[in-house]
Amino acid sequence: ETGVTQSPTHLIKTRGQQVTLRCSSQSGHNTVSWYQQALGQGPQFIFQYYREEENGRGNFPPRFSGLQFPNYSSELNVNALELDDSALYLCASSFNSSIGPGDCTGVFETQYFGPGTRLLVL
Amino acid sequence: RKEVEQDPGPFNVPEGATVAFNCTYSNSASQSFFWYRQDCRKEPKLLMSVYSSGNEDGRFTAQLNRASQYISLLIRDSKLSDSATYLCVVNGGKNGGSQGNLIFGKGTKLSVKP
Repeated sequence: ETGVTQSPTHLIKTRGQQVTLRCSSQSGHNTVSWYQQALGQGPQFIFQYYREEENGRGNFPPRFSGLQFPNYSSELNVNALELDDSALYLCASSFNSSIGPGDCTGVFETQYFGPGTRLLVL
Repeated sequence: RKEVEQDPGPFNVPEGATVAFNCTYSNSASQSFFWYRQDCRKEPKLLMSVYSSGNEDGRFTAQLNRASQYISLLIRDSKLSDSATYLCVVNGGKNGGSQGNLIFGKGTKLSVKP
């Protein structure tokens, strides 16, 4: 058990709907990263939140957005769902010792993954 | 060139065999390297970090060659329970477009048979 929890575990939505996924980070961690893992693929980085601000983003459109709360938990929101959004969404928490958002040393502590939320878009 | 490349396999080996996985990465600024293990329909779990000096954890040995931008994982005396997909993971590095995040390979599938 990594101490990282995600909810819900499974979700079915229809095209065009909106979805919110939640993640609680491991105690002592201040950074949350979100990944999308399509069937048969490795997880792809969506974005990372550090101290409630976005601290890096992968190649995902703006309809993928997120939040981080003062307790370091996080939400991933996806608007206007498309069929290709069907995937396992993984949240990973870590401890970032950098002194501020964007001031990245390039070396991060290991990320610990939650169990994921499996999203199916029909 | 893909950022992280692995042979997808599958590697089908008998119990007790030694098996080696290789991984290459493109960003020379990368500073952290890991091997993750992923069981079917489960989240990836950290197997071990990879250090320049090489490191060993029981039956698992990881090696890093910075000059060749190459990482390896060796599994000795393989067990049935080692059957899984092994993901090579590299930190994006300062000069990469993925600064601060982990970049995953597609994974190498291992199947250990009795």
